Amino acid sequence: GQNIDQPTEMTATEGAIVQINCTYQTSGFNGLFWYQQHAGEAPTFLSYNVLDGLEEKGRFSSFLSRSKGYSYLLLKELQMKDSASYLCAVRAPLGGGGNKLTFGTGTQLKVEL
Amino acid sequence: EPEVTQTPSHQVTQMGQEVILRCVPISNHLYFYWYRQILGQKVEFLVSFYNNEISEKSEIFDDQFSVERPDGSNFTLKIRSTKLEDSAMYFCASSDPGNSGANVLTFGAGSRLTVL
Repeated sequence: GQNIDQPTEMTATEGAIVQINCTYQTSGFNGLFWYQQHAGEAPTFLSYNVLDGLEEKGRFSSFLSRSKGYSYLLLKELQMKDSASYLCAVRAPLGGGGNKLTFGTGTQLKVEL
Repeated sequence: EPEVTQTPSHQVTQMGQEVILRCVPISNHLYFYWYRQILGQKVEFLVSFYNNEISEKSEIFDDQFSVERPDGSNFTLKIRSTKLEDSAMYFCASSDPGNSGANVLTFGAGSRLTVL
């Protein structure tokens, strides 16, 4: 089975840095994704890790440790528009190379002035 | 930027009625998916579709659910006899492995289904 844990909510200040953690226990692993979801909208892709280490994409970075079953999403220079839910999702391979994502419950980030 | 489009954006139906949710995936994508999100809960996988057949389905995707790709552009989810607990936001997604192998899912804006 798949079990993915992330904090329910976090609060941070505009301009600051925030780290959102995700731990997982899964029967199969073929990559970890981070998505952003604003209320009532679709998840949008932020970052992807399949090997250990840090992936940087502008203000967003994501880290993976496969041996520890651990990832984090780092958001720098926070802006008010970053207030959203951040979803950690683990990929298990499908036949034919497709993706099945198992999502965590999401971390609701509130950015304050 | 290519996008996945879904219709309708919101549908209200009576319990026991059939519902069809429609999706137009990104044109060069090969894999298609349906996910759902009950209000306040996590996004859940329903089904994946590749090469004109279901490649995997979850426990949620029982005999009341079916998917179809009736032509070269549309991908539909049918719920035969809706139940109250089918009320949720249904997201269509598509993906293509590309060069990176990430096979990133691109989600549509969703169809909100309300069963009364």
